[in-house]
Amino acid sequence: AQKITQTQPGMFVQEKEAVTLDCTYDTSDQSYGLFWYKQPSSGEMIFLIYQGSYDEQNATEGRYSLNFQKARKSANLVISASQLGDSAMYFCAGFTGANSKLTFGKGITLSVRP
Amino acid sequence: NAGVTQTPKFRVLKTGQSMTLLCAQDMNHEYMYWYRQDPGMGLRLIHYSVGEGTTAKGEVPDGYNVSRLKKQNFLLGLESAAPSQTSVYFCASRLDRSSGNTIYFGEGSWLTVV
Repeated sequence: AQKITQTQPGMFVQEKEAVTLDCTYDTSDQSYGLFWYKQPSSGEMIFLIYQGSYDEQNATEGRYSLNFQKARKSANLVISASQLGDSAMYFCAGFTGANSKLTFGKGITLSVRP
Repeated sequence: NAGVTQTPKFRVLKTGQSMTLLCAQDMNHEYMYWYRQDPGMGLRLIHYSVGEGTTAKGEVPDGYNVSRLKKQNFLLGLESAAPSQTSVYFCASRLDRSSGNTIYFGEGSWLTVV
């Protein structure tokens, strides 16, 4: 089974600055996948970025990048040039190749200040 | 969230009543999941299914039952609702084990048990 840990309290960032949201995972599988989702106040789950365990490069999607460090079992989300619309809850999630469970962390609330 | 539909979106139940939440997807996905989201707890997996006719327990299965009689539908049942089941319920689906980041979420179902 895979465990996803997000321990940061609510995060604050100034508009146009970069912010890093932390995520650590725990699995003994060699094959796994990690995600980040954004949940605005409206409630829908918005896919941001995906990293496969065998991907050689860190994933990037526009202003989002994933700082993937296998040895440390961390998959931190970096948001560059924060915008007011980035204020939301952010979830790290993952699955392993051995089973089909998709497990979520508890989430981090990000607030972007003008 | 095109492709995954949850019904109903809102429901108020009295303690002891029963109800069924329906998740329907039209993408021929094999894997389907039911989560509940509570403040500070992230998304917790209730039950999941890896194909038609199969179901498995997640992290918090007690008080819930599921069925996957048709590939496109995943039903979540509450036989005797309790106030502790007041939550937001999300359904998600994924094509198969190799499909990586192609996970789709429904828009959520808000359930209140009084």
